[in-house]
Amino acid sequence: SQQGEEDPQALSIQEGENATMNCSYKTSINNLQWYRQNSGRGLVHLILIRSNEREKHSGRLRVTLDTSKKSSSLLITASRAADTASYFCATDAGTGGFKTIFGAGTRLFVKA
Amino acid sequence: DTAVSQTPKYLVTQMGNDKSIKCEQNLGHDTMYWYKQDSKKFLKIMFSYNNKELIINETVPNRFSPKSPDKAHLNLHINSLELGDSAVYFCASSQDRRTGGYYTFGSGTRLTVV
Repeated sequence: SQQGEEDPQALSIQEGENATMNCSYKTSINNLQWYRQNSGRGLVHLILIRSNEREKHSGRLRVTLDTSKKSSSLLITASRAADTASYFCATDAGTGGFKTIFGAGTRLFVKA
Repeated sequence: DTAVSQTPKYLVTQMGNDKSIKCEQNLGHDTMYWYKQDSKKFLKIMFSYNNKELIINETVPNRFSPKSPDKAHLNLHINSLELGDSAVYFCASSQDRRTGGYYTFGSGTRLTVV
């Protein structure tokens, strides 16, 4: 089974609505990261939240982390068509940061 | 300037051939990686190199051989290509992830084995 698993697998919303994606993981972590991947491109880092943080903001992004439930959520507020992409959470499998486990991603489609 | 660049972007080849993918980063990062992304978008680590030394080899077949001539380069050579090798291969780099360094990815190499 995967270390990071996103939920839902796919999400379709209207422009202006909020999008929430969830990630669950299995082992203890130092930090959790969220990445975006546009079609045909590489992943781009969005935000990192450390294990001792509960919430973090970056522009229209809000990430929460609940280490007791081993879960994180990514909220994109006031979504735009340009937010259409796949979103991945990533955690380290306890090997000093050299082996990060990515989930299968949430595919977000924002309709204009 | 592209931070992590990999070439080629597309690679179509026949089964049994040998091919290489090159990767270079100009970020001054100590660590470089190869990831494989399958058709379901699942991203899996293949190799991690730190300061030119192999750190992680994630049960990748011996047909895959990474080479890091210096900190800025990590190339991937694949021998005797098989149909199942078809995927998108991503190179990435990072600073020390134990202190919060994050990945910078290349744009990927789409390998199709026919």
